[in-house]
Amino acid sequence: QKEVEQNSGPLSVPEGAIASLNCTYSDRGSQSFFWYRQYSGKSPELIMSIYSNGDKEDGRFTAQLNKASQYVSLLIRDSQPSDSATYLCAQGGNNRLAFGKGNQVVVIP
Amino acid sequence: KAGVTQTPRYLIKTRGQQVTLSCSPISGHRSVSWYQQTPGQGLQFLFEYFSETQRNKGNFPGRFSGRQFSNSRSEMNVSTLELGDSALYLCASSLALTDLGTEAFFGQGTRLTVV
Repeated sequence: QKEVEQNSGPLSVPEGAIASLNCTYSDRGSQSFFWYRQYSGKSPELIMSIYSNGDKEDGRFTAQLNKASQYVSLLIRDSQPSDSATYLCAQGGNNRLAFGKGNQVVVIP
Repeated sequence: KAGVTQTPRYLIKTRGQQVTLSCSPISGHRSVSWYQQTPGQGLQFLFEYFSETQRNKGNFPGRFSGRQFSNSRSEMNVSTLELGDSALYLCASSLALTDLGTEAFFGQGTRLTVV
């Protein structure tokens, strides 16, 4: 079982809609989770960090963490064409980050 | 505030050669971790250094090595290059990438092509 799973395929959303991304993890002991955005040909950019159960909002982004169910999600409200990118979920712990394979999001104008 | 700086940005090497990549972290950050990114495997952890000590190492062969200097700058070395080593190598900088978790910021990466 992979440490961090992002199983959804490419996600196409109309401009202005909500994009929803999910991620599951296997290490119950982990206390830190992150979402990175990566544009094609660029390096990952940190957009959200979350450490405790519940929701964390930052602008149009909301991260949700549920430790009991071992999943973390990211909502992008009012999606814009500039949100078109690959979104990487990462789990912290043991002095490293473990990444999922990423989900590609395409926002259609 | 300057970000994470990786040099060089692009490299083309021949099989069997060795290569050294450099990473300068954000000022004040003492943790530097390295990752390999390929289309098939995604982002894979190579190793992490804090105060010149390697604290964790990923599942890569011994051809991959690294070190950290007293100013927190880090280098990674790949010896006897193979075609499969072609990848984007990313360095991430953090105050202290402990189990409690602190935010890590990536450099622009070094694109290595082995021919």
